[in-house]
Amino acid sequence: NAGVMQNPRHLVRRRGQEARLRCSPVKGHSHVYWYRQLPEEGLKFMVYLQKENIIDESGMPKERFSAEFPKEGPSILRIQQVVRGDSAAYFCASSPGGANQPQHFGDGTRLSIL
Amino acid sequence: AQSVTQLDSQVPVFEEAPVELRCNYSSSVSVYLFWYVQYPNQGLQLLLKYLSGSTLVKGINGFEAEFNKSQTSFHLRKPSVHISDTAEYFCAVSGGSSGNTPLVFGKGTRLSVIA
Repeated sequence: NAGVMQNPRHLVRRRGQEARLRCSPVKGHSHVYWYRQLPEEGLKFMVYLQKENIIDESGMPKERFSAEFPKEGPSILRIQQVVRGDSAAYFCASSPGGANQPQHFGDGTRLSIL
Repeated sequence: AQSVTQLDSQVPVFEEAPVELRCNYSSSVSVYLFWYVQYPNQGLQLLLKYLSGSTLVKGINGFEAEFNKSQTSFHLRKPSVHISDTAEYFCAVSGGSSGNTPLVFGKGTRLSVIA
């Protein structure tokens, strides 16, 4: 069984460009979470989505960041007009829903801003 | 609001020695508790989880953790470590009656096993 697949693994952008990070959850999982990890820090929650719905975006910056999880296809985290401070590792996790189900993590996308 | 404190940022230990990685949490509601391990340039892998029931939880790779409600702790232990256990370990909590809530992570503990 394939786990959570994230691509690309590494992404380099210049300041002002757009970054698109993709996440395909474990087959059958309908809940997706995005987290950001800065150096020497733990993971910080950004956004929680179910198919076609944003459930909780309390950790997402109000500007330049958006996320979606369409009915078909992967979840996308989009960062517009990137700045140096956006450099981080971005992790996606999925779960099947229901109590007692832990989150399964992908290997992350490491975003570097030049 | 929930929070997780991992008291040690780095723990060096000799091979075959025991290790304990400490984790304390704060929450006003019942919680689920997790330990994850992260190897370099990889994602997080679930080591073990506490949902309910027995306070001593056994996980993969010989790790175990004990939930202590009165001390709000969930320390991770292994009686004899291997070189391959060198990694970053994260304690995390989610709250409420459902597991479908975002995880709150500690800052991590870097375990270095010395030959």
